[in-house]
Amino acid sequence: EAQVTQNPRYLITVTGKKLTVTCSQNMNHEYMSWYRQDPGLGLRQIYYSMNVEVTDKGDVPEGYKVSRKEKRNFPLILESPSPNQTSLYFCATKDRGSAGNTIYFGEGSWLTVV
Amino acid sequence: EDQVTQSPEALRLQEGESSSLNCSYTVSGLRGLFWYRQDPGKGPEFLFTLYSAGEEKEKERLKATLTKKESFLHITAPKPEDSATYLCAVTAMDSNYQLIWGAGTKLIIKP
Repeated sequence: EAQVTQNPRYLITVTGKKLTVTCSQNMNHEYMSWYRQDPGLGLRQIYYSMNVEVTDKGDVPEGYKVSRKEKRNFPLILESPSPNQTSLYFCATKDRGSAGNTIYFGEGSWLTVV
Repeated sequence: EDQVTQSPEALRLQEGESSSLNCSYTVSGLRGLFWYRQDPGKGPEFLFTLYSAGEEKEKERLKATLTKKESFLHITAPKPEDSATYLCAVTAMDSNYQLIWGAGTKLIIKP
């Protein structure tokens, strides 16, 4: 079964305490991406990766870091979280050659920064 | 600037009352337009891809159409289980397959 697994699903943390949201996929997809979703703003891309060791900024990269050391994993790192990073986060993957119709999303990670 | 606008923001219908959701876009060369369904607290789920004006796709009570400026998601005789947020996204020719997302339309079907 095609799966994109995110952890943790729910997290409340304090300002400045580093955290990592993991993302793992079992479809051997080259492309992986992180989005945040906020009411009224839709999905906004944070970072994406076209392949191992290749990452690029999306629309809202400030305050985030990513790494792609292995094909299946694409962790999102918040070095010093702030309250404006409270959001619902989604990891997504797709076949690189696809125009987008095979995007698979994780279940989402609810992050609250107090 | 590439942009996707969905309307209305929210739509309440009675069960069986057909209607349409709109997705208008401005992009420098459309590579593809996508519709997704999102249930509360879950990741978006793929519905359709449309590539060229005049194209139509159908799935159960849903039908997506595409023109050069907009797409419609027609819902025929909806049921309460069709309640969800429907998201539209586009990919431009020069975008390296990156998606531009609309804010979504929240659809509520009352029994």
